[in-house]
Amino acid sequence: DGGITQSPKYLFRKEGQNVTLSCEQNLNHDAMYWYRQDPGQGLRLIYYSQIVNDFQKGDIAEGYSVSREKKESFPLTVTSAQKNPTAFYLCASSIELIAGTQYFGPGTRLLVL
Amino acid sequence: AQSVTQLGSHVSVSEGALVLLRCNYSSSVPPYLFWYVQYPNQGLQLLLKYTTGATLVKGINGFEAEFKKSETSFHLTKPSAHMSDAAEYFCAVSARRGGYNKLIFGAGTRLAVHP
Repeated sequence: DGGITQSPKYLFRKEGQNVTLSCEQNLNHDAMYWYRQDPGQGLRLIYYSQIVNDFQKGDIAEGYSVSREKKESFPLTVTSAQKNPTAFYLCASSIELIAGTQYFGPGTRLLVL
Repeated sequence: AQSVTQLGSHVSVSEGALVLLRCNYSSSVPPYLFWYVQYPNQGLQLLLKYTTGATLVKGINGFEAEFKKSETSFHLTKPSAHMSDAAEYFCAVSARRGGYNKLIFGAGTRLAVHP
């Protein structure tokens, strides 16, 4: 079955630690996205990527980094510079960047110890 | 620039009653409009979308939405609520024009369904 997988489902971060969230898709989609979801605030765009080896900052990129070395994979690193990382993180993909319908993974919940 | 307003952060209905979730958008160009549903601790699932053509859009699970340009609205309805419809619903808009235009989400409406 085609889809988007995210791992882990839950992730705990210690202060000063960098953590990486995995996102993999087998839909053959070119575009991929990372969103952050906080209660009552909807989704906010962190980073997006149109093609391999290319990515752009979204609205709240500070404290995050990404890479796009393979079409299928778009990992997100939450760095120690992100002072309030506790949130639900959602990865999405679409066939194309321009107005393509986005399909979402199951999410990773990040908690701070 | 685009924006989305979902009226009512919480909506409660009885099983079998009409579901109406309101969404108003702002867009300087013709929009693409979406409704997504999110069950607890899960990702978002596409319910339906409007791109062009017929303004009444039918989606999964018996939901539908009507694009009303004059009212800048895209309200989501379902004639008869089921207990399994309890979830959070997000309306989203993006611009229908060349270049990348990100998907803008509303803050969400949590739907509760009572027996």
